[in-house]
Amino acid sequence: AQSVTQPDIHITVSEGASLELRCNYSYGATPYLFWYVQSPGQGLQLLLKYFSGDTLVQGIKGFEAEFKRSQSSFNLRKPSVHWSDAAEYFCAVGNTGTASKLTFGTGTRLQVTL
Amino acid sequence: NAGVTQTPKFQVLKTGQSMTLQCAQDMNHEYMSWYRQDPGMGLRLIHYSVGAGITDQGEVPNGYNVSRSTTEDFPLRLLSAAPSQTSVYFCASSRTGGRGYTFGSGTRLTVV
Repeated sequence: AQSVTQPDIHITVSEGASLELRCNYSYGATPYLFWYVQSPGQGLQLLLKYFSGDTLVQGIKGFEAEFKRSQSSFNLRKPSVHWSDAAEYFCAVGNTGTASKLTFGTGTRLQVTL
Repeated sequence: NAGVTQTPKFQVLKTGQSMTLQCAQDMNHEYMSWYRQDPGMGLRLIHYSVGAGITDQGEVPNGYNVSRSTTEDFPLRLLSAAPSQTSVYFCASSRTGGRGYTFGSGTRLTVV
């Protein structure tokens, strides 16, 4: 069965500092991988996605993620964090073929200090 | 373009009551899903549909029913509410799964 692990429950970074959120997945085939962001009291917004091709993918709001098959990882990065990036971030894996079912990690809450 | 619309936004039920959470999308998406979000547990898939007339169970289907009679609507029914169903429920839709899902703003349900 597919699964996703986000090992960091809570991360605090200073505004302007770089950010890396970790995501490890377990899946037998080449997975669909996603990162979503959730602001307090809101729904989830898609940041970026990966299925094939270039292993470094660019998303919205200046985020990027790198797929590393050998490490079963899909870490999210941002070179310079803004205070408005404070939110909860979820990594998800979709089933091969259709990605009709998403399995989410437990999320990482990002706090940004000024 | 409204996207994914969920109603109601908030609901309080008594144990044993039934209700339907509504979800509608106006993007002509084939795929629709229901998730519940609980603290520390991320989002868990309840039921999903890959087209009108086609539904299947997700990770936590017990206590919930769905049907998909039209492309636009995907209601979630709680037959007999239990306190364990207190949660935030999200509906999502996608044209094809690989493009990623668009999420509604959620329904916060409390069962007392």
